[in-house]
Amino acid sequence: QSVLTQPPSASGTPGQRVTISCSGTYSNIGSNSVSWYQQFPGTAPKLLIYYNDQRPSGVPARFSGSKSGTSASLAISGLQSEDEADYYCAAWDDSLNGNVFGIGTKVTVL
Amino acid sequence: EVQLLDSGGGLVQPGGSLRLSCVASGFTFGTFAMTWVRQAPGKGLQWVSGISGSADNKWFADSVKGRFDISRDSSKNTVYLQMSTLRVEDTAIYYCAKSNGYNYVGHFDYWGQGTLVTVSS
Repeated sequence: QSVLTQPPSASGTPGQRVTISCSGTYSNIGSNSVSWYQQFPGTAPKLLIYYNDQRPSGVPARFSGSKSGTSASLAISGLQSEDEADYYCAAWDDSLNGNVFGIGTKVTVL
Repeated sequence: EVQLLDSGGGLVQPGGSLRLSCVASGFTFGTFAMTWVRQAPGKGLQWVSGISGSADNKWFADSVKGRFDISRDSSKNTVYLQMSTLRVEDTAIYYCAKSNGYNYVGHFDYWGQGTLVTVSS
């Protein structure tokens, strides 16, 4: 059971907007920044969003992040077939004195 | 270009030991914390351990505390994960990752390709 709660799956048709939620507590999301990672099967994860809403260079603008209180979300606007992947949220947890990940959300493009 | 090359994985019996290595290049190694993250077959990501840029601070997940140790050698631009008293549930792909900060874990902006550890009799 992960400390951060994500839905196991999400889906949409090409061009749609898909949102993935990540719920935590005061000791993790409530007190620290959230990052998001994208992972394709058989490959290493890739940083997608950091500091809640910042995109590394090279990440398309259709990916955006937000945070409010003890929850965060990742939005994919204008969903594309190449966005089909697993997405993980992560944050430092002050109580555990360690980093925690969500269980991951598998995004399917219908 | 930042590169992280993980190695050292393999098959080990329960109770055994293994040392993973991660050779880094393309950035000033000593100014960033480094981290290990693992992924069991068909499962999600799990943070394992982190070490500050100076090696003065180390952090461990509860599931590996007392069994795993992390270290770094700045002369070789290498971070290590020494794993002992291995359990079947430690079976996973282990990824080395670069943290964005010096004395904290932060987020992970670059990842190695991963090395597979299989614990089985």
